[in-house]
Amino acid sequence: SAVISQKPSRDICQRGTSLTIQCQVDSQVTMMFWYRQQPGQSLTLIATANQGSEATYESGFVIDKFPISRPNLTFSTLTVSNMSPEDSSIYLCSVTPPPGPAVGKNIQYFGAGTRLSVL
Amino acid sequence: SQQGEEDPQALSIQEGENATMNCSYKTSINNLQWYRQNSGRGLVHLILIRSNEREKHSGRLRVTLDTSKKSSSLLITASRAADTASYFCATASITTGGGNKLTFGTGTQLKVEL
Repeated sequence: SAVISQKPSRDICQRGTSLTIQCQVDSQVTMMFWYRQQPGQSLTLIATANQGSEATYESGFVIDKFPISRPNLTFSTLTVSNMSPEDSSIYLCSVTPPPGPAVGKNIQYFGAGTRLSVL
Repeated sequence: SQQGEEDPQALSIQEGENATMNCSYKTSINNLQWYRQNSGRGLVHLILIRSNEREKHSGRLRVTLDTSKKSSSLLITASRAADTASYFCATASITTGGGNKLTFGTGTQLKVEL
């Protein structure tokens, strides 16, 4: 398994500002993902963070709004830019595990999430 | 749009009873997974069932898969108050970038009362 530290755990932000969320993994992983979970809803994939190249965004999400960095195999950041109240959500990072029994099964390990409230 | 639809949306039972949650999906899958999310926390992987399997057990968990009906069920036996959480099914597919991603169902909120 992988241990994932995500911070901040929560924040309250003003409209129009930006917040950068960090995701640190205790081992090198191939794939890192960023999800959004709106209040009372399921998870929606924002993008896949690729090491050494641009993130791959899902339909409905764009780089200008959610820039992502992945400088190495253990760390990634997601920025929520020019925030509005509609961005109030829990943002979660996840990883596919290091080599082992779970590889190839698409099992993901999740951070505890960042609860964002935009006023 | 969500791949998986789950029902019920919410379920309240007494400790010791069994809880059953259902998940339906739309596309072909390699495997289907169930995750648990405690309030305000990240998701924890519970169990995975492959497309060529029909039933799988892990402790108090029993998962079934019917690929002809594109549906799965999660049964938690002898429930405990600590089982109170949201439960999500997830199916794997290929991302626009060619990698793998999970698509989560709408979730079932389970409350186990003492």
